[in-house]
Amino acid sequence: KAGVTQTPRYLIKTRGQQVTLSCSPISGHRSVSWYQQTPGQGLQFLFEYFSETQRNKGNFPGRFSGRQFSNSRSEMNVSTLELGDSALYLCASSLRSGGASGEQFFGPGTRLTVL
Amino acid sequence: AQSVTQLDSHVSVSEGTPVLLRCNYSSSYSPSLFWYVQHPNKGLQLLLKYTSAATLVKGINGFEAEFKKSETSFHLTKPSAHMSDAAEYFCVVNLDRGSTLGRLYFGRGTQLTVWP
Repeated sequence: KAGVTQTPRYLIKTRGQQVTLSCSPISGHRSVSWYQQTPGQGLQFLFEYFSETQRNKGNFPGRFSGRQFSNSRSEMNVSTLELGDSALYLCASSLRSGGASGEQFFGPGTRLTVL
Repeated sequence: AQSVTQLDSHVSVSEGTPVLLRCNYSSSYSPSLFWYVQHPNKGLQLLLKYTSAATLVKGINGFEAEFKKSETSFHLTKPSAHMSDAAEYFCVVNLDRGSTLGRLYFGRGTQLTVWP
């Protein structure tokens, strides 16, 4: 089975722009979660989607949004980029919403740099 | 409130010596606990998980962890370090166990260095 894939792997944007990141979960997985990883804040939960519905959201401003398609692929969007949005964005998939066993499979991440 | 605390930001060991990475959690009940490893430029990989079965959990690559409720700890150990173990390790807790939510709370990570 192919793992979680994320595109693009690297992105450079300037302040004020917006960006869309994509995540394809493992085949059969219906839950997709997004995390932001920065040196200062570590790994923080952004949101989780299951069956095209946002099930849970972390403590991030409304500039961060996401969606999930019927094939379980997910996108996250960040509008009006700020320098502090520079981070590694990780996507994780699991079989069930939240993965009641908690086991989530992570993609390699998208490295976003905001100049 | 900090849900999971990794007590060491850096640990250095010599190859062939034991590894101990310490983790404490805060929860009013027994949560699901995990250890993930992140190698440079790679995604997170699950090492092992505790979900209320045996308190001593064995994972991949010779790692194991023991859940101690009285100490609210879930320390990761390995009897003999290998050079390929050098990576960043994250202790993770799922406080939403039993619900339909699935937020994972990550510790700040422990960077493991293995000297030859």
